[in-house]
Amino acid sequence: DVKVTQSSRYLVKRTGEKVFLECVQDMDHENMFWYRQDPGLGLRLIYFSYDVKMKEKGDIPEGYSVSREKKERFSLILESASTNQTSMYLCASRGPGSKQYFGPGTRLTVT
Amino acid sequence: AQTVTQSQPEMSVQEAETVTLSCTYDTSESDYYLFWYKQPPSRQMILVIRQEAYKQQNATENRFSVNFQKAAKSFSLKISDSQLGDAAMYFCAYRSANNAGNMLTFGGGTRLMVKP
Repeated sequence: DVKVTQSSRYLVKRTGEKVFLECVQDMDHENMFWYRQDPGLGLRLIYFSYDVKMKEKGDIPEGYSVSREKKERFSLILESASTNQTSMYLCASRGPGSKQYFGPGTRLTVT
Repeated sequence: AQTVTQSQPEMSVQEAETVTLSCTYDTSESDYYLFWYKQPPSRQMILVIRQEAYKQQNATENRFSVNFQKAAKSFSLKISDSQLGDAAMYFCAYRSANNAGNMLTFGGGTRLMVKP
């Protein structure tokens, strides 16, 4: 079974802090994704990566950056957290087929 | 750009009954994939069912089936014999079959409640 793990289930940070959200997958998938989930808005894509060191902006990349130094790990970085980045963050990975596997999510609160 | 719309923020069904969740999408492409994902309260999203646009036959997965109407750009999910464990957020999603189209576009979600 594919496993996608995220470093934290819950995180509370202060405005202006730098925040790292880590995601690891164990199936050698090329494609990895970061979404944020907000009520009524569904999932919106922040960034995705199709290979090591490769990244593409999604629909809402502003205020975020990503890092993919190793194939299994895709990090989402909030350089200076703001209250409007309080959200649920979901990581996903996908191999050659079309099935996408999601991590359990990280609920981030910025105060 | 593609958009996916789920017009029902919440739905409720009695246990053992059937419920249909609606999804419409907008695209100019002819080849694409459509998905329904389930997100239970534990938050891990799981794939429920998938439909390739070039297939006329509606996908079925046990108690879950879809009504895919390509001309109408409609992709509804039918859950038969609803169970308490079906209670979750359901998301409809679209993905282009084009090699450049690597992203899923999601609808806003429908919260399904199952009453015992």
